[in-house]
Amino acid sequence: DIQMTQSPSSMSASVGDSVTITCRASQTIDTSLNWYQQKPGKAPKLLIFAASTLQSGVPSRFTGSGSLTDFTLTISSLQPEDFATYYCQQGYNTPPTFGGGTKVEI
Amino acid sequence: EELLVESGGGLEQPGGSLRLSCAASGFSFRSYGMNWVRQAPGKGLEWISYISSSGNNMYNGDSVKGRFTISRDNAKNSVFLQMNSVRAEDTAVYYCARSLMVHAPFDIWGQGTVVTVSS
Repeated sequence: DIQMTQSPSSMSASVGDSVTITCRASQTIDTSLNWYQQKPGKAPKLLIFAASTLQSGVPSRFTGSGSLTDFTLTISSLQPEDFATYYCQQGYNTPPTFGGGTKVEI
Repeated sequence: EELLVESGGGLEQPGGSLRLSCAASGFSFRSYGMNWVRQAPGKGLEWISYISSSGNNMYNGDSVKGRFTISRDNAKNSVFLQMNSVRAEDTAVYYCARSLMVHAPFDIWGQGTVVTVSS
């Protein structure tokens, strides 16, 4: 199975900050990388797919980049509703696997 | 509105069985693959099962292989997860999630149903 490693596991930030989350795959996955946002007690929500394509309805302050094994999610100008846990997930092969999550706290 | 609603969770003893259901609405259910993803308390996300749009292809994660079975009824716009021989480590919130195919992103999620395995 492909292992997905996210860093950091948690971070503190303020409204208006720019934050970057990193995701590393244990083997090359081309651009088969998706990002999800999860708020407490809620289901995950797809933010970005294929490493850099914004899902419909997601604000443009979310940006994804990377390929092969190294990927980043950047949130520019953090808003109060962005404080959540973020997960990366590889869709390169089966089983699909998730990173351990990054909690963005105030 | 595209919606998935899970049901069937609850408390079960180790070794017992549960059947989860996920009802879809607002989209062409028979055109999409469906998945089950779970989240143990305080933990991350774990994909456990996929079924293709036709129901002809299924994949399971190693942690549930031989115990859980995914199925679907396209006439009823529903996907199911039959959970047998449940263990304490199966305790989690179970989400159904839509994907166009097996390696596609999970673009719609249900609200989840809680399964607790305990004596």
